[in-house]
Amino acid sequence: GENVEQHPSTLSVQEGDSAVIKCTYSDSASNYFPWYKQELGKGPQLIIDIRSNVGEKKDQRIAVTLNKTAKHFSLHITETQPEDSAVYFCAASPPSNTGKLIFGQGTTLQVKP
Amino acid sequence: DGGITQSPKYLFRKEGQNVTLSCEQNLNHDAMYWYRQDPGQGLRLIYYSQIVNDFQKGDIAEGYSVSREKKESFPLTVTSAQKNPTAFYLCASKEYGLTDTQYFGPGTRLTVL
Repeated sequence: GENVEQHPSTLSVQEGDSAVIKCTYSDSASNYFPWYKQELGKGPQLIIDIRSNVGEKKDQRIAVTLNKTAKHFSLHITETQPEDSAVYFCAASPPSNTGKLIFGQGTTLQVKP
Repeated sequence: DGGITQSPKYLFRKEGQNVTLSCEQNLNHDAMYWYRQDPGQGLRLIYYSQIVNDFQKGDIAEGYSVSREKKESFPLTVTSAQKNPTAFYLCASKEYGLTDTQYFGPGTRLTVL
């Protein structure tokens, strides 16, 4: 079945620096790739997503890139702020009508002021 | 968290007891999902339902049961057969067939005493 590997597991950056989180998926037919941000004790919130027919998508300080050949996608956060500190999850959706998502293991991002 | 509510926020259970976690949504979404979250393991799918009166097992369904009698409700029962039930449980929903985006509730933290 589909498997998603996420790296790094923890990431610490200085405020204002950029942060990059990478994910690799196994099913080449996966066609949807969301990124979620989860604050402590809360449910995950979607921050950005990308479909397989697009190579890059940007929303203010956040961007996602997709390399279908290499089967990996990345989250880029520029000009990081302390409120960006959270756990970030990537996910991949195998082609089906069930909407199932396969999640990565998560990355704990700490932005130091 | 949108229009998805989960209750209770914290739940304590004695070994051998069944407990039911509530998930309600007012988004008029057809599909609903239950995930389990353990530290360092991301989110794993327990059960999902695409329409009322129908549901399917996810990757870790053993020891759990669900029902879907109403579109807006998808309760999860953690039975005594679940050997390690202490975890953070997340409910999600999405529109069937129109979008891949899943929206999450705030979660229920279950602790077995």
